[in-house]
Amino acid sequence: EAGVAQSPRYKIIEKRQSVAFWCNPISGHATLYWYQQILGQGPKLLIQFQNNGVVDDSQLPKDRFSAERLKGVDSTLKIQPAKLEDSAVYLCASSLVEGGGTEAFFGQGTRLTVV
Amino acid sequence: GESVGLHLPTLSVQEGDNSIINCAYSNSASDYFIWYKQESGKGPQFIIDIRSNMDKRQGQRVTVLLNKTVKHLSLQIAATQPGDSAVYFCAENPNSGYALNFGKGTSLLVTP
Repeated sequence: EAGVAQSPRYKIIEKRQSVAFWCNPISGHATLYWYQQILGQGPKLLIQFQNNGVVDDSQLPKDRFSAERLKGVDSTLKIQPAKLEDSAVYLCASSLVEGGGTEAFFGQGTRLTVV
Repeated sequence: GESVGLHLPTLSVQEGDNSIINCAYSNSASDYFIWYKQESGKGPQFIIDIRSNMDKRQGQRVTVLLNKTVKHLSLQIAATQPGDSAVYFCAENPNSGYALNFGKGTSLLVTP
């Protein structure tokens, strides 16, 4: 079974620029998550999708971050404009059933450096 | 707000010894817990999970213990190997239907 695919693996941008990350979840997984992991910390949820609808985006900085999951499969996460504190690894995960009470499978992440 | 935390940020053990990684949680409504292993440059990888109606679950070389009375979770790794060196996170599901909430992690270093 193919895992969660993310791209790019690494990205370096200057502050105030924009950036986008892409995620392809495991086939058939209805729930998709984007997490932000700052160095030395645990992953923090940014947004959770159930199919193409948003379940939880309470921790997403909506003035600069946006995410979509058109057609309920692939997802993109965008940051515009980026700030220095956005430097982190952005992890995409998916789970088979509705989030909660089940294992989430993670991709390798995109390491973003904002300079 | 309520959160998941870990007692020790780093743990160093000798190869072949048993390892115990602890985690405290504060949300009594959490009904599902997972331990993840994260190696450098990789995403978290599932190790073992446990539901709140259980107090112990065993896997291959790993055991998770759940003490709901004191809101404590532990991961035991038997005969620790160099390949076990990684950061270990406990995660809880505080609300059914919502995403996992992660703790800060414990770095496990296995020395020969």
